[in-house]
Amino acid sequence: AQSVTQPDIHITVSEGASLELRCNYSYGATPYLFWYVQSPGQGLQLLLKYFSGDTLVQGIKGFEAEFKRSQSSFNLRKPSVHWSDAAEYFCAAPNFGNEKLTFGTGTRLTIIP
Amino acid sequence: NAGVTQTPKFQVLKTGQSMTLQCAQDMNHEYMSWYRQDPGMGLRLIHYSVGAGITDQGEVPNGYNVSRSTTEDFPLRLLSAAPSQTSVYFCASSYETDQTYNSPLHFGNGTRLTVT
Repeated sequence: AQSVTQPDIHITVSEGASLELRCNYSYGATPYLFWYVQSPGQGLQLLLKYFSGDTLVQGIKGFEAEFKRSQSSFNLRKPSVHWSDAAEYFCAAPNFGNEKLTFGTGTRLTIIP
Repeated sequence: NAGVTQTPKFQVLKTGQSMTLQCAQDMNHEYMSWYRQDPGMGLRLIHYSVGAGITDQGEVPNGYNVSRSTTEDFPLRLLSAAPSQTSVYFCASSYETDQTYNSPLHFGNGTRLTVT
């Protein structure tokens, strides 16, 4: 079964600085990978997804992610963060046992002025 | 278009009480699911349904029941609440029943449940 790992529980970034959130996956075949964002008090919203093809994926809100098979990674990036990006970010992948989404433990992003 | 609607937003129960968390979607999605979110554990799948009349267990089903009598509704029942069920519960739906397809999950805003 595929699983995802988010090694960073909490990251603090200054407004305007660049951001990279890490996600590692474990699966032999080409995986399907997703990033979701959860704003405080809200449900999760899809940021972007990777299914196949171009390994650099563009998403909403200026986010992008790069699939690197050699590193088993699907890291989320943004060149310049805004205060409104403060949220919790989840990497996810389908469990190939039942094709249902399995989520990482999340990374909480704090933005400082 | 309301999307996925969960009620109530907050609930406090005493140990042993039962209750139903409601979830409704107006997008004609076949797939619906319930997750619980706990600190440091991400979201864990409780139960899911691939269509009316069909339900199945997820990763953490014990202590919960579900039914799917209509496409729109997917209630989650706590049979006898325990403090370990204190959590935030999310309902999610998608058009496709298989998340390997290009069909993102749509989430409700959650129900925060406390069991004392």
